[in-house]
Amino acid sequence: GENVEQHPSTLSVQEGDSAVIKCTYSDSASNYFPWYKQELGKRPQLIIDIRSNVGEKKDQRIAVTLNKTAKHFSLHITETQPEDSAVYFCAARSNNAGNMLTFGGGTRLMVKP
Amino acid sequence: DVKVTQSSRYLVKRTGEKVFLECVQDMDHENMFWYRQDPGLGLRLIYFSYDVKMKEKGDIPEGYSVSREKKERFSLILESASTNQTSMYLCASSLGRYNEQFFGPGTRLTVL
Repeated sequence: GENVEQHPSTLSVQEGDSAVIKCTYSDSASNYFPWYKQELGKRPQLIIDIRSNVGEKKDQRIAVTLNKTAKHFSLHITETQPEDSAVYFCAARSNNAGNMLTFGGGTRLMVKP
Repeated sequence: DVKVTQSSRYLVKRTGEKVFLECVQDMDHENMFWYRQDPGLGLRLIYFSYDVKMKEKGDIPEGYSVSREKKERFSLILESASTNQTSMYLCASSLGRYNEQFFGPGTRLTVL
C-alpha cells in the first residue's frame, strides 16, 4: 500500500520567517495530496490541497509544490505568524489504496514571536 | 457548516471492557471514517464506510469493529479494550470518496 513519510517532525521558526515541510510518497498512482492543520486541542482541518496534474498551488501565505517524478510534495508557509503554530499533516490518496488517504506522521510547527 | 460530533472528548476504561465510540454527522455525507492518532504516526485508518450497513477495513482494523445502521451515525467498537488501544480517536466524514474529509473533535481514550 501507500506509505507517506513527513519531515521534519518538529520545526521551530522565528515569526516572519518561512517554514517548509516535506513529504514523500511511495505509490506512483497517488493523485491527490491534501494538507491538514491541527491546532492544539482542535480537530484537523484542510488548509490546501493539490492534484497530480499541477505542480504548484498557492493560497495567500501558503503554497504546496508537487514533484511527481521524485514522488515528493512540500508545504511552504511564508511570513509565519504565531497563529501558524500547529501540527501539520500531509496525506496522499491512491487508486491502489481504495482511494483512501494515507497520512504522514505530522510536523509540529512552533512560531516564536 | 459541516458538523461532525463525537460522543465523548475523554474516556477512561479498564482492560477487557467493551467500549463504544459514537460519531454523528449532520450533512448527509455518504462516507465516514475512523482514525486513531498517535504521536509520530499521524492518522491511521481503522475502518471506513461508504454507505449504511457497509464497512471496509482500513490499515489497522485488528481489535476493532464498526457499525453503521443509520447514514448519519458511525460507531467504533472495542470488543475487549487493551492498554495498547490508548489513543486519540478521530471520526471524519465526506460527501463522496473524492471530497474533503471533515473531522470530529476527537475522543481521547485511556485504557487502564
